[in-house]
Amino acid sequence: DAKTTQPPSMDCAEGRAANLPCNHSTISGNEYVYWYRQIHSQGPQYIIHGLKNNETNEMASLIITEDRKSSTLILPHATLRDTAVYYCIVRVVGAGNMLTFGGGTRLMVKP
Amino acid sequence: KAGVTQTPRYLIKTRGQQVTLSCSPISGHRSVSWYQQTPGQGLQFLFEYFSETQRNKGNFPGRFSGRQFSNSRSEMNVSTLELGDSALYLCASSLEGGSYEKLFFGSGTQLSVL
Repeated sequence: DAKTTQPPSMDCAEGRAANLPCNHSTISGNEYVYWYRQIHSQGPQYIIHGLKNNETNEMASLIITEDRKSSTLILPHATLRDTAVYYCIVRVVGAGNMLTFGGGTRLMVKP
Repeated sequence: KAGVTQTPRYLIKTRGQQVTLSCSPISGHRSVSWYQQTPGQGLQFLFEYFSETQRNKGNFPGRFSGRQFSNSRSEMNVSTLELGDSALYLCASSLEGGSYEKLFFGSGTQLSVL
């Protein structure tokens, strides 16, 4: 599996954009980047995913660099409810739903 | 559409006992995966079932097993429980397990082994 590297923790002011980086320098050309988040004691929640183009949905935007070696998850207007652990995952083709979770980034949104 | 449902939500067992956890995937989803989450090891993949067959398996001892029924519902079993098996057990489902598919997680079963 391609390994991902994320900062262990980040702070963000409420109402500001939260930019969460992820490094996946060994990603292969057909591997997707997925972002999930986990609020304490709940199951991970899907946020967004992409292959090479930037993606946006109602929750967030995903910016993938042209060489695909890194990506950034953007929460445009962070709220207190966005406080969670955010996981960046590279999904290996043919591995089904066998995902490798790293330590993630603990995002703390402060008032 | 109902989400992934896991039962029970909380469970307390003693060492040496066995336990069975249940997972009902989202309607129409045929791939069901199980994960273990502990403070020390984080989220770790246990196994995946698709059309009643185990398709992938993580690095866990044989005490951990699972199965999937024809309606895609899945159970996992842990025999001869150890203290270290205390964890949040998460079930996830998707249509077929393709790398382009979203994977949806349940709220988990919190297992405490005393």
